Amino acid sequence: EDQVTQSPEALRLQEGESSSLNCSYTVSGLRGLFWYRQDPGKGPEFLFTLYSAGEEKEKERLKATLTKKESFLHITAPKPEDSATYLCAVQAFGNNNAGNMLTFGGGTRLMVKP
Amino acid sequence: DAGVTQSPTHLIKTRGQQVTLRCSPKSGHDTVSWYQQALGQGPQFIFQYYEEEERQRGNFPDRFSGHQFPNYSSELNVNALLLGDSALYLCASSLGAGVREQFFGPGTRLTVL
Repeated sequence: EDQVTQSPEALRLQEGESSSLNCSYTVSGLRGLFWYRQDPGKGPEFLFTLYSAGEEKEKERLKATLTKKESFLHITAPKPEDSATYLCAVQAFGNNNAGNMLTFGGGTRLMVKP
Repeated sequence: DAGVTQSPTHLIKTRGQQVTLRCSPKSGHDTVSWYQQALGQGPQFIFQYYEEEERQRGNFPDRFSGHQFPNYSSELNVNALLLGDSALYLCASSLGAGVREQFFGPGTRLTVL
């Protein structure tokens, strides 16, 4: 069974204090790893897709990296508007390759104080 | 370009009732997935529809059923509601099979009393 574990569950940062969020995964075969941002009471907003170990993607203050067992979301000099829950999800090869379901982790709640 | 839309925004039901939630995919998308998100947890996959058929299903009981229409919009039906069905129900759309980004709607908040 595919599993995704995110840590920490919650993270408090001061504005400008850089840090990293971790996503560990166990899958039968990774097709893609996705990062989403979710604001309270809203649907997840797509950030990145990573396909293979060694791949990196950047968007503003965010950079996502991927290894064979985990992914990191690095946040450089965060601002209060970066406060949100960050979700990691995987698409895996399975018995039914016709679908492309996402398996999510529990998320990391990030709070950035001014 | 309209994104994924869902209706209603909020819904309150009592145990044993039935509910129908609706979703319109992002323009150009043909695949719709439904997820259940309990408070403080990550979304859990319910099922996915493509070409008006259920293509993949998660670990949810038969009380959860769905439908996709020729215009790619979709419905999620839940029968015999339980207190534990209270959650945010998310619809996501994507294009075809393969590794594709899924774009989410704002969700429907279902409360079962």
